[in-house]
Amino acid sequence: QVQLVQSGAEVKKPGASVTVSCKASGYTFTNYYTHWVRQAPGQGLEWMGIINPSGGGPSYAQNFWGRVTLTSHMSTVYMELSTLRSEDTAVYYCVRGSKLSDLRMDVWGQGTTVTVSS
Amino acid sequence: QSALTQPASVSGSPGQSITISCTGTSSDVGSYNLVSWYQQHPGKVPKLMIYEGSERPSGVSNRFSGSKSGNTASLTISGLQAEDEADYYCCSYAGSSTYVFGTGTKVNVL
Repeated sequence: QVQLVQSGAEVKKPGASVTVSCKASGYTFTNYYTHWVRQAPGQGLEWMGIINPSGGGPSYAQNFWGRVTLTSHMSTVYMELSTLRSEDTAVYYCVRGSKLSDLRMDVWGQGTTVTVSS
Repeated sequence: QSALTQPASVSGSPGQSITISCTGTSSDVGSYNLVSWYQQHPGKVPKLMIYEGSERPSGVSNRFSGSKSGNTASLTISGLQAEDEADYYCCSYAGSSTYVFGTGTKVNVL
């Protein structure tokens, strides 16, 4: 079945970097985009960026310019967030995105909790 | 890019209909018919309920419907049920391969 499986929870100190992975299965990886979305505790969803595994540069939300990097290799997408601060404590999701005109985001990973604490 | 504006909460009794608004700008909601809606129960992963403004994925109840007028998109839940109690988020394409989510709405079933 179609699924996105993310790496496990992380605890990091302020100023450090974190990398979260997202492995896709059950579909042709390069036929879809992969988005990253995060959700701080008790807060709403926040779109972070998108990558096209078949080529072309990633696109990032302005709030994350200079701190987030998306890469892909084989059937896995990686999200690196640098210069972590306490406000980056959140659940991070990868999400499959359609390349068709509807641009829907239809399959979500299980989420990865990143805790930033000294 | 500012978050789309949604009401913090909407309430309704079982069987009633409710509507959640999602207000953006002429740069996002107003420019594209690419608003999607997600349902999230506590502690769960968001689920796609509506895409491309008014389309329902396979398996989503036809009690859920979407529409748009100008810079505001709407999600209507008809025949409200206890299981519909959840948080709902809209999301719009905003051009240049960027997207923006709404602030989220908690639906309470009285």
